[in-house]
Amino acid sequence: GQSLEQPSEVTAVEGAIVQINCTYQTSGFYGLSWYQQHDGGAPTFLSYNALDGLEETGRFSSFLSRSDSYGYLLLQELQMKDSASYFCAQQTGNTPLVFGKGTRLSVIA
Amino acid sequence: KAGVTQTPRYLIKTRGQQVTLSCSPISGHRSVSWYQQTPGQGLQFLFEYFSETQRNKGNFPGRFSGRQFSNSRSEMNVSTLELGDSALYLCASSLSRQNSDEQFFGPGTRLTVL
Repeated sequence: GQSLEQPSEVTAVEGAIVQINCTYQTSGFYGLSWYQQHDGGAPTFLSYNALDGLEETGRFSSFLSRSDSYGYLLLQELQMKDSASYFCAQQTGNTPLVFGKGTRLSVIA
Repeated sequence: KAGVTQTPRYLIKTRGQQVTLSCSPISGHRSVSWYQQTPGQGLQFLFEYFSETQRNKGNFPGRFSGRQFSNSRSEMNVSTLELGDSALYLCASSLSRQNSDEQFFGPGTRLTVL
């Protein structure tokens, strides 16, 4: 089946920039989504990339390289409230989203 | 516009019992998906329903079942509960089945099996 690889944990300093990488399987790939989940909360949608390149939404950006089967989420000007788990999810045609196991981001002062 | 609601929020059951979880999608959303989330794991897909029809099913035993009603509300049922079924069960709705459709998640039902 499909599987996505992302680091399990990342720690970064408040105000800094952090990049969370995600590699995916190419079979039937259509697009890559990113979701944020705070402890005890529901996942919330951050971004979606179907084409190569960078999508920017405020402090968050997401990048996709289809030739490398790779994407990343870039968080700038980190704030304490950005401490959460971040999931990449692969869209493959009309099959359901397949999620990675998540990256737990800890923002420290 | 109200978000996705799930009931109950918390549930404690014992092994062998069965449980029914409910999900009300955002008004106008016709696609409902269910996921199981356990510590250290990502979200494991259970089912997807669209227009009262199951469109996709994940790799879970037959003890897990679900359905969708004409108003798009969905229920999932787990029979003969096992300890390993303890998890957060998340429901997500989307407008349609377009690939780029954002999924809106509910707060989840935390099931504990003793």
